[in-house]
Amino acid sequence: DAGVTQSPTHLIKTRGQQVTLRCSPKSGHDTVSWYQQALGQGPQFIFQYYEEEERQRGNFPDRFSGHQFPNYSSELNVNALLLGDSALYLCASSLFNNMGGYTFGSGTRLTVV
Amino acid sequence: AQTVTQSQPEMSVQEAETVTLSCTYDTSESDYYLFWYKQPPSRQMILVIRQEAYKQQNATENRFSVNFQKAAKSFSLKISDSQLGDAAMYFCAYRSGGTASKLTFGTGTRLQVTL
Repeated sequence: DAGVTQSPTHLIKTRGQQVTLRCSPKSGHDTVSWYQQALGQGPQFIFQYYEEEERQRGNFPDRFSGHQFPNYSSELNVNALLLGDSALYLCASSLFNNMGGYTFGSGTRLTVV
Repeated sequence: AQTVTQSQPEMSVQEAETVTLSCTYDTSESDYYLFWYKQPPSRQMILVIRQEAYKQQNATENRFSVNFQKAAKSFSLKISDSQLGDAAMYFCAYRSGGTASKLTFGTGTRLQVTL
């Protein structure tokens, strides 16, 4: 049973560029959440997608946007990259109506230079 | 807004000994869940243990157990018989009740396990 898959694993971008990160949820899960984890910090919630709609959003600017596809996979897009966007981006999947925990991927390490 | 505080940036324990990681949280909600996640160098967050706020009994998973003090808003993790593979970052996390709520994490505790 495949867990959460994220791609790419590492990425280097230049300030001002745009980036797209991808996530395939665990088989059977219908909800995808994205988190940003700066070095030495705990993950911060960016947003969550269910039924191809953004259901919740954390305190992140509009430069951060996302999408969920009919097969439940998801993309995180960041425009106009800033040096401060350098972080580990984690995807977590779950069942919308389940009170259980989340299954996380191994993340994408984004470096903005 | 809910907050989660981990006041121990680093902890060290000898192999086979017991260590306790601390976590406090702040909330006005009555329906919520608490978690401990482990993050090894592989970066993947791995669920260690989960506690439902409505349950008075402390959760236990093999060598891992929690001390859940609801009135004090405290949720500590005890690791017994520590193993080298337990070395990692440990994050305490809070989640509101209701469908698919977000996780709010603490800043983490780095656990070192020595021989």
